[in-house]
Amino acid sequence: KNEVEQSPQNLTAQEGEFITINCSYSVGISALHWLQQHPGGGIVSLFMLSSGKKKHGRLIATINIQEKHSSLHITASHPRDSAVYICAVREGAQKLVFGQGTRLTINP
Amino acid sequence: NAGVTQTPKFRVLKTGQSMTLLCAQDMNHEYMYWYRQDPGMGLRLIHYSVGEGTTAKGEVPDGYNVSRLKKQNFLLGLESAAPSQTSVYFCASTQTGQGYTFGSGTRLTVV
Repeated sequence: KNEVEQSPQNLTAQEGEFITINCSYSVGISALHWLQQHPGGGIVSLFMLSSGKKKHGRLIATINIQEKHSSLHITASHPRDSAVYICAVREGAQKLVFGQGTRLTINP
Repeated sequence: NAGVTQTPKFRVLKTGQSMTLLCAQDMNHEYMYWYRQDPGMGLRLIHYSVGEGTTAKGEVPDGYNVSRLKKQNFLLGLESAAPSQTSVYFCASTQTGQGYTFGSGTRLTVV
C-alpha cells in the first residue's frame, strides 16, 4: 500500500463544475503539499498545509490531521485548470513522499 | 527571477556515456533534491542534500552520484548511462517552514 493515496486517478469535468481531489496518507507528517503539473511542464507548488484550510483564488485546500486526509477543491473550473495535481507529504529531513497524481481535464 | 534553474533541458545519451545535470538555486535554501519522474511511477527521490557539503541517498540512488560543493548548486551525475535511466529529472529546493520550488525539468533519453 502506498503511503500517499490520491483519488480519483483521472477526472473529467465540464467548465464551471466544482472539483474535489482527495489525498489520504498513512504516515506521520509535518506538512502536506499540493502541486500542479501541466502537460510537458514543470511542477508548481500550490499549497503547504499543516492544519485547517487555505484558499488562493479559486483553489481551496483542507487537511484533517486526525483522519490523515486532505482535499483540494477548485471552484468554477476552467480548461486552463487541466493538469496533474499531486499530493505530497513531508517526512523527516524535509523529504517529500508523493502520491501518484490526479489527471484533471476540464472541457469547455 | 528567483528560482531553481536546471541545465540542460534535454539530452540524448548513448548507453555507457556519462553526463552531469546541474541544479542552481538563488533562494539560499538549505535543502535540495533530485527526483526522477516516470510514467505510472510518480516522482521518486534519487539523492538529496540538507546543506552545503552533505548528500544522502534517496529511494532510487543506484547509478547516480551527487555533489553539493556550493550551497546554491546540486549536481547529479550519471557515470555510465543505461536505458533504464531514461526519464524526466526534477530538482527542487526548500527551506524549513517553506514550500518547495521545482526546476523546469531535464528530459533525458538513453539509447
